[in-house]
Amino acid sequence: KDQVFQPSTVASSEGAVVEIFCNHSVSNAYNFFWYLHFPGCAPRLLVKGSKPSQQGRYNMTYERFSSSLLILQVREADAAVYYCAPCPLAGLTFGKGTHLIIQP
Amino acid sequence: DTAVSQTPKYLVTQMGNDKSIKCEQNLGHDTMYWYKQDSKKFLKIMFSYNNKELIINETVPNRFSPKSPDKAHLNLHINSLELGDSAVYFCASSPFNTGELFFGEGSRLTVL
Repeated sequence: KDQVFQPSTVASSEGAVVEIFCNHSVSNAYNFFWYLHFPGCAPRLLVKGSKPSQQGRYNMTYERFSSSLLILQVREADAAVYYCAPCPLAGLTFGKGTHLIIQP
Repeated sequence: DTAVSQTPKYLVTQMGNDKSIKCEQNLGHDTMYWYKQDSKKFLKIMFSYNNKELIINETVPNRFSPKSPDKAHLNLHINSLELGDSAVYFCASSPFNTGELFFGEGSRLTVL
């Protein structure tokens, strides 16, 4: 069964660059999505692409079976859960999310 | 102006009851979904409808029945609720086959 793997927790200090890895086993994925979720709110799309992409402070790397989300100049407000989703799995099954913890 | 809205946001009920969660989107999207986020935070797809037709039906107990009266609405009805049904249920919509999902804020169901 196609699966998506990402670490459950990543910790970073304010101002640093943090990287969240995601691997998957979807053989026909042609696109990748990263979603941001603040508990109690609607998850929302952060960045997407089939090649390295950037959206403001968010950079995304892309390989056939993996992607990384890089967040530049991490802030306390970035503490949230980040979900990766390869497409066509996007719309089907996400990774279980990475909880980003910001350390003082 | 909420793009994807679901009600209720919180629902507490007893085992054995039947309950419904409603979802509406005003984005003009063709496809709508129901996801379940369990205690381990997995976001698992349950159902997907495209233009009122069921296109994805993952392994979900048949106590769960989605209904799409039109392409802007996808409701989830749950019969004979069990403790394990406690979770946050997210509705989402997307333009057909793009993979880009627009989520509602979730409905937290607690079964006692």
